Amino acid sequence: ETGVTQTPRHLVMGMTNKKSLKCEQHLGHNAMYWYKQSAKKPLELMFVYNFKEQTENNSVPSRFSPECPNSSHLFLHLHTLQPEDSALYLCASSQAHGGRGETQYFGPGTRLLVL
Amino acid sequence: GESVGLHLPTLSVQEGDNSIINCAYSNSASDYFIWYKQESGKGPQFIIDIRSNMDKRQGQRVTVLLNKTVKHLSLQIAATQPGDSAVYFCAENGNNNAGNMLTFGGGTRLMVKP
Repeated sequence: ETGVTQTPRHLVMGMTNKKSLKCEQHLGHNAMYWYKQSAKKPLELMFVYNFKEQTENNSVPSRFSPECPNSSHLFLHLHTLQPEDSALYLCASSQAHGGRGETQYFGPGTRLLVL
Repeated sequence: GESVGLHLPTLSVQEGDNSIINCAYSNSASDYFIWYKQESGKGPQFIIDIRSNMDKRQGQRVTVLLNKTVKHLSLQIAATQPGDSAVYFCAENGNNNAGNMLTFGGGTRLMVKP
């Protein structure tokens, strides 16, 4: 276990549904990340939060809405997704997001299927 | 453009042999590199990292080598075991000036034959 948990592990949703992914880290870190992992593609960064403030939005469509209520919890709210959004969504955390070269620790991911 | 890439998408080795997984990077500003292991159904797991002021770093059964001259990174696994079967990713931090963003390679699948 890496100290980063994600729920649910699997999610199937229709294009009109609203759902949320949850991430929790038990490492005392201050930065949290959302990544998307599609088949045959490198990991794609979506959002970064540092001390609860969003510092990066990697041109992610507005149907993905992140929320970071505190340094230990990160949510990804999903609304009117498309089938091409089906992927593994990974959460990661690091000590902070200011240092040069921070090790990121990943959760197990949520496997999302959009029908 | 700048990229992190892997030479071999799939590597098959015999159990007990040593494995070498390679990674080429093109961003000369990168000064921090990480290797991750991702098993089926799991998230990437940190294996080992190295900073650019080092050429070599050893862990338990793993060694990372960094050749800054040719921008090449490798992961060596000694006495490869079936549990080492996974996809291995390299990542670098040189994609932005602050050096706090990781760019990941496409991954190499390691298959260990019994």
